[in-house]
Amino acid sequence: RKEVEQDPGPFNVPEGATVAFNCTYSNSASQSFFWYRQDCRKEPKLLMSVYSSGNEDGRFTAQLNRASQYISLLIRDSKLSDSATYLCVVSGGTSYGKLTFGQGTILTVHP
Amino acid sequence: SAVISQKPSRDICQRGTSLTIQCQVDSQVTMMFWYRQQPGQSLTLIATANQGSEATYESGFVIDKFPISRPNLTFSTLTVSNMSPEDSSIYLCSVGGPLDGYTFGSGTRLTVV
Repeated sequence: RKEVEQDPGPFNVPEGATVAFNCTYSNSASQSFFWYRQDCRKEPKLLMSVYSSGNEDGRFTAQLNRASQYISLLIRDSKLSDSATYLCVVSGGTSYGKLTFGQGTILTVHP
Repeated sequence: SAVISQKPSRDICQRGTSLTIQCQVDSQVTMMFWYRQQPGQSLTLIATANQGSEATYESGFVIDKFPISRPNLTFSTLTVSNMSPEDSSIYLCSVGGPLDGYTFGSGTRLTVV
């Protein structure tokens, strides 16, 4: 079983749609959780950290369920510029600073 | 967040040669991380580099193949040694922490022919 699992997609949605990505992780000792965005041929960029209380940043909402070891990302009112690969990333446990990446979910937003 | 300057951005190398990748950070950081992203794959941690001590390598990566230097708190290099086509990947450095997240260099796209 992979340490961090995501649905690879691709997700193809029209502008204005709401789309949700899910992610599960296997290491219950994980302490930090993130969603990153990676555009084609670019480095990953931090989209948002994920907290147990849930957090929202504009059109983006992230949730963490530690009991189920489950992370989600909700994007509302999708824009063409949201098209990218979204990476679920987990850190902590026995190796401080080590990030474990999911394989990424590809999102394409079309007109 | 920290700003990282990574170079070269890309290179095409002959098999059997070595390439050294550099990362310069605009602030002092305790730990720097080196990742590899193989074609169509997500990122995998190669090693963690602390200033003044040997790097800590992840399973499947060894110092002879990927020697790392960390001469001060703002700079690190990763060398890909005795390259083969299987080493063709994007290599990225990273800094950061669990509170503020992690920042990545722009990556080095390596092609071995």
